[in-house]
Amino acid sequence: DSGVTQTPKHLITATGQRVTLRCSPRSGDLSVYWYQQSLDQGLQFLIQYYNGEERAKGNILERFSAQQFPDLHSELNLSSLELGDSALYFCASSLAGADTQYFGPGTRLTVL
Amino acid sequence: GQQLNQSPQSMFIQEGEDVSMNCTSSSIFNTWLWYKQDPGEGPVLLIALYKAGELTSNGRLTAQFGITRKDSFLNISASIPSDVGIYFCAGRGAGGTSYGKLTFGQGTILTVHP
Repeated sequence: DSGVTQTPKHLITATGQRVTLRCSPRSGDLSVYWYQQSLDQGLQFLIQYYNGEERAKGNILERFSAQQFPDLHSELNLSSLELGDSALYFCASSLAGADTQYFGPGTRLTVL
Repeated sequence: GQQLNQSPQSMFIQEGEDVSMNCTSSSIFNTWLWYKQDPGEGPVLLIALYKAGELTSNGRLTAQFGITRKDSFLNISASIPSDVGIYFCAGRGAGGTSYGKLTFGQGTILTVHP
């Protein structure tokens, strides 16, 4: 158990819908990262937050957004969902930006 | 952008054999990490490397940070069935826009036959 929690574990929705994925980092960690893992793309970095502020951005679509709240939990919002958005979404956390990242168990999103 | 080439893509070995996999980068990394992922689970950190030339062990696992800072190697000795899974290398570049961002290799799928 990495100490990073993610909810829900599974999510099934339809195209065009909007969903919110939630992540709670390890106790004491200030940085949260979001990754997307699909069969043909491997693990792709989406976005990083540090203590509530966006720190780095990867290949995140404009339909996707994220935020980190004062209690340091983070939410990833995915809107106007497409079939190709079906993937595993992982959250990771670290003490600061350059520290080792610990991954949560992931949310499996299925868009039908 | 930064790219990582991880090889081999998959390995089928007998229990007890040693395993080697590696990652090469098109640019310099300051940190190399090796993760293992079991089906339906999140990646679990195996070894972290922070200095060029560094050699670090974790039980039967040994990883090295290449001298050129563009590659890293992971060796597993005397493999056992529970070593089955996907192994990922990940690298972190210098500061600036890549600060904190990890770039992942495509993974090596390891199958161990009893």
